[in-house]
Amino acid sequence: SQQGEEDPQALSIQEGENATMNCSYKTSINNLQWYRQNSGRGLVHLILIRSNEREKHSGRLRVTLDTSKKSSSLLITASRAADTASYFCATSGGSYIPTFGRGTSLIVHP
Amino acid sequence: EPEVTQTPSHQVTQMGQEVILRCVPISNHLYFYWYRQILGQKVEFLVSFYNNEISEKSEIFDDQFSVERPDGSNFTLKIRSTKLEDSAMYFCASRGQSSGNTIYFGEGSWLTVV
Repeated sequence: SQQGEEDPQALSIQEGENATMNCSYKTSINNLQWYRQNSGRGLVHLILIRSNEREKHSGRLRVTLDTSKKSSSLLITASRAADTASYFCATSGGSYIPTFGRGTSLIVHP
Repeated sequence: EPEVTQTPSHQVTQMGQEVILRCVPISNHLYFYWYRQILGQKVEFLVSFYNNEISEKSEIFDDQFSVERPDGSNFTLKIRSTKLEDSAMYFCASRGQSSGNTIYFGEGSWLTVV
């Protein structure tokens, strides 16, 4: 299964701190995507990183991908209370159908 | 920014009843998906749809499920005879060939089977 698994399951930090979430997967992938989900809401796409890429940035987000270790990380810098949400990695293989992990629940305290 | 829209946002139905969940994908997108998320659990793939036919489906997508694209804009998921364990959030998603394989999700439809 390509399924990614996020670590940690839960993360609690203070506003202004950086938050790092990790994702590990088992098989080769074409790309890996990170999504955010506020409680009871839809999945918001954050970043897609392809298997031949090592790092991507989008605003306060930084994603890395290490295909040799089959792992990815999502870094949110200078976190805000509004970043409180669950974060999921989703891996895609040849069919480009994302397979989701269980997510990391991030709480940012004001 | 274009978005995937889903209706209804919440539906309560009696066990054994048929339910149709509706989705309007992003226009000019060609690939369509349904996922579900049981409360507190991970997001699970149900089915993908391309060129007016199912391209891939999971084990969850059994004979009680069906999908249809009745016109040029709507994409529906039908559950023929709902069971209690079908209670979940159902997400529709779409992808275009030029979107770099990014898949965009709707806000979801909460289905509660009682």
